[in-house]
Amino acid sequence: GENVEQHPSTLSVQEGDSAVIKCTYSDSASNYFPWYKQELGKRPQLIIDIRSNVGEKKDQRIAVTLNKTAKHFSLHITETQPEDSAVYFCAASKKSSGDKLTFGTGTRLAVRP
Amino acid sequence: NAGVMQNPRHLVRRRGQEARLRCSPMKGHSHVYWYRQLPEEGLKFMVYLQKENIIDESGMPKERFSAEFPKEGPSILRIQQVVRGDSAAYFCASSPRDKGLETQYFGPGTRLLVL
Repeated sequence: GENVEQHPSTLSVQEGDSAVIKCTYSDSASNYFPWYKQELGKRPQLIIDIRSNVGEKKDQRIAVTLNKTAKHFSLHITETQPEDSAVYFCAASKKSSGDKLTFGTGTRLAVRP
Repeated sequence: NAGVMQNPRHLVRRRGQEARLRCSPMKGHSHVYWYRQLPEEGLKFMVYLQKENIIDESGMPKERFSAEFPKEGPSILRIQQVVRGDSAAYFCASSPRDKGLETQYFGPGTRLLVL
């Protein structure tokens, strides 16, 4: 089955700096890669996603890049703000497996004011 | 358009009791996924259902756990004879997969505590 690895497990940045979180996946048939933000005690919230026919996608301060050959994808947050502090999860899925999500282990991001 | 609803939000059970967790998908979504999140860990897939059908239960423990999504009403995740190791947050997600969209939207979760 699919295996998703995520690094780093914790990340601390100064407000205004950029944050980068990286994930690798094992199943070359995976074709959908969402990123979720989870605040303490809350539900995972989709912040951005990318499909395998696209190499990069951007939404304001958030961008995701995908390298299908290397089987890795990354989340980039620019101009970080204290409210970006949360746990971020990457995930991967494929249509033939019913789109069930395989999650990474999470990155705890702390943005220092 | 209401989001994914789950209830109860918190559930306390003693060892050996039954736990019933309910999930109502977003309006127009007929695909439901259940995930379990242990403390300080990521989410793990348990089961994928469509109305009246279990499509994939490969992530669900073989004993004590069952799930259903009847024609009318919410999806139910049922845990019989709970043990302390069942303590976790259980999230459901729904998607409009039959419209060709795979995006999953999560409910607020049910936090199960087994004493």
